[in-house]
Amino acid sequence: DGGITQSPKYLFRKEGQNVTLSCEQNLNHDAMYWYRQDPGQGLRLIYYSQIVNDFQKGDIAEGYSVSREKKESFPLTVTSAQKNPTAFYLCASTITGGTSSSYNEQFFGPGTRLTVL
Amino acid sequence: EDKVVQSPLSLVVHEGDTVTLNCSYEVTNFRSLLWYKQEKKAPTFLFMLTSSGIEKKSGRLSSILDKKELFSILNITATQTGDSAVYLCAVGSGNMLTFGGGTRLMVKP
Repeated sequence: DGGITQSPKYLFRKEGQNVTLSCEQNLNHDAMYWYRQDPGQGLRLIYYSQIVNDFQKGDIAEGYSVSREKKESFPLTVTSAQKNPTAFYLCASTITGGTSSSYNEQFFGPGTRLTVL
Repeated sequence: EDKVVQSPLSLVVHEGDTVTLNCSYEVTNFRSLLWYKQEKKAPTFLFMLTSSGIEKKSGRLSSILDKKELFSILNITATQTGDSAVYLCAVGSGNMLTFGGGTRLMVKP
């Protein structure tokens, strides 16, 4: 079965701790993305990566860090510098390039709900 | 700055009603507009629209794009309780998606 997995499903963090959220895909997609979703709001882009060993900041990158050492994996670390990390985190991936001029749809993982105690 | 605005913010209807959800946008380098349905977890893909005036249809759901007026609508006819969800509109610009805030639809029996 091809897809995107995220773990854990629920995560609790004490203030001052760093935590890492996992995102793995076996779709052979080039690009991967991390979004944050707050209650009643849409998705905001944290970081994205279009190729291994390269990533770019999104709109709300402060307090977060990522790595892309393998095509399949794009972990997100929520650092203690993130002032309000309680949120739902979604990872997505997509193929880049191709012959179509349209943007390829992003496929989403099931999400991780992070709560700071 | 790219911007996507959805309306209404929330909507409550009864089974069998027809609803229309709106999405307006201002983006540079428009490539496509996507609609997603989000129940409790990951958004699931509904439609991708790239050309004006061509309706896309899937069962009771349909959507159309107007690139001149910069908006799209998502119609759901004969609504069912299973249609209750947050509907997200996203616009592709370059290699990125910009999401609207979503419309929360509740369908009552």
